[in-house]
Amino acid sequence: GAVVSQHPSRVICKSGTSVKIECRSLDFQATTMFWYRQFPKQSLMLMATSNEGSKATYEQGVEKDKFLINHASLTLSTLTVTSAHPEDSSFYICSAFQGAGGEQYFGPGTRLTVT
Amino acid sequence: QKEVEQNSGPLSVPEGAIASLNCTYSDRGSQSFFWYRQYSGKSPELIMFIYSNGDKEDGRFTAQLNKASQYVSLLIRDSQPSDSATYLCAVNDGGGSNYKLTFGKGTLLTVNP
Repeated sequence: GAVVSQHPSRVICKSGTSVKIECRSLDFQATTMFWYRQFPKQSLMLMATSNEGSKATYEQGVEKDKFLINHASLTLSTLTVTSAHPEDSSFYICSAFQGAGGEQYFGPGTRLTVT
Repeated sequence: QKEVEQNSGPLSVPEGAIASLNCTYSDRGSQSFFWYRQYSGKSPELIMFIYSNGDKEDGRFTAQLNKASQYVSLLIRDSQPSDSATYLCAVNDGGGSNYKLTFGKGTLLTVNP
């Protein structure tokens, strides 16, 4: 149980284009999902909390107009990186929590490369 | 600001030995504690969680929690080369922040054959 998927696993795009990443909870309903970014050899950085049916909550310093989050159903959250630039190249990982203690289960991640 | 501290390592142990990973946290109100394993280039995988003081065992893994001293540890018995990874300690406050986790920077463990 508690399986989270992400699609795509890897994407290469040109500078200025937009990229959408999907995060799905496969065997449970997730009212809250989280989006993280991780640069090489660095720790996870929480970008935003995605809440089903309401606006996402962004961490300080994360541009909400650049990283659009939509949590349209109890099993799907999407992150759209708009007008991507090479500095947005990173490993993007989503998670969903399940359980009384808030255990978070991570998706496999999406590696974004902006050329 | 909530902080979670871990020794970055690398921690190197021989195959078959016990690996001991430690973590301290700053928020005394923290309620839930997690250990994640992250292989290079992969996403974190939950391996243990603990809510109450004391020990919790799952196979070769034992999590230990001491809320009075604000530390949580992970013991890996009979370490295997496949255990070589970065281990992340994470803490949340039990729901007041939408179950957001505060992560440590991780400890790199290397198990030598």
